[in-house]
Amino acid sequence: DIQMTQSPSTLSASVGDSVTITCRASQSISSWLAWYQQKPGKAPNLLIYKASSLESGVPSRFSGSGSGTEFTLTISSLQPDDFATYYCQQYNSYSLTFGGGTKVEIK
Amino acid sequence: EVQLVQSGAEVKKSGESLKISCKGTGYSFTNYWIGWVRQMPGKGLEWMGIIYPGDSDTKYSPSFQGQVTISADKSITTAYLQWSSLKASDTAMYYCVRSPIGDRGWFDPWGQGTLVTVSS
Repeated sequence: DIQMTQSPSTLSASVGDSVTITCRASQSISSWLAWYQQKPGKAPNLLIYKASSLESGVPSRFSGSGSGTEFTLTISSLQPDDFATYYCQQYNSYSLTFGGGTKVEIK
Repeated sequence: EVQLVQSGAEVKKSGESLKISCKGTGYSFTNYWIGWVRQMPGKGLEWMGIIYPGDSDTKYSPSFQGQVTISADKSITTAYLQWSSLKASDTAMYYCVRSPIGDRGWFDPWGQGTLVTVSS
């Protein structure tokens, strides 16, 4: 299985900050990567697919980049609604796997 | 609107069987793969397996192969996840998900989740 490693596991930031979350794959996954946001008690919600394609309805302050084994999710100006946990997911090959998650907390 | 609506929370004892459901609406149910994702309390997301309701082709994560059964009834646009003998370690939230681009893809949308609690 392809292992997905996210860093950091927790990130403390303030409203208005720009934050970046990294996701590394144990082998190349081309651009077959998605990002999700999960708020407490809720199902995850798709933000980005194919590494950098923004899902319809997702604010443009979210962006994704990368290919191969290293990927990033950037939130350009953190809003109160963005404090949540973020997961990456590879869909290059079975088993489909998720990163361990990054919790974005209020500083 | 594409929606996945899951069955309600379950409280079971070890050794009991269980089948939870996920009803798809707002799209052609037989043309998209439906998967299941586990989230244990306070933990991350784990892909369990996926089914194509059109022909019931099913793929499992090796971690869950033999532990659960995924099925679908296209006549009522519903997918299922079932256990024949629950363990306390099956306590988790279970989400059904749709894969828009085939058996290997991202997941959108997600069901609201079904909480399964198993007591020993």
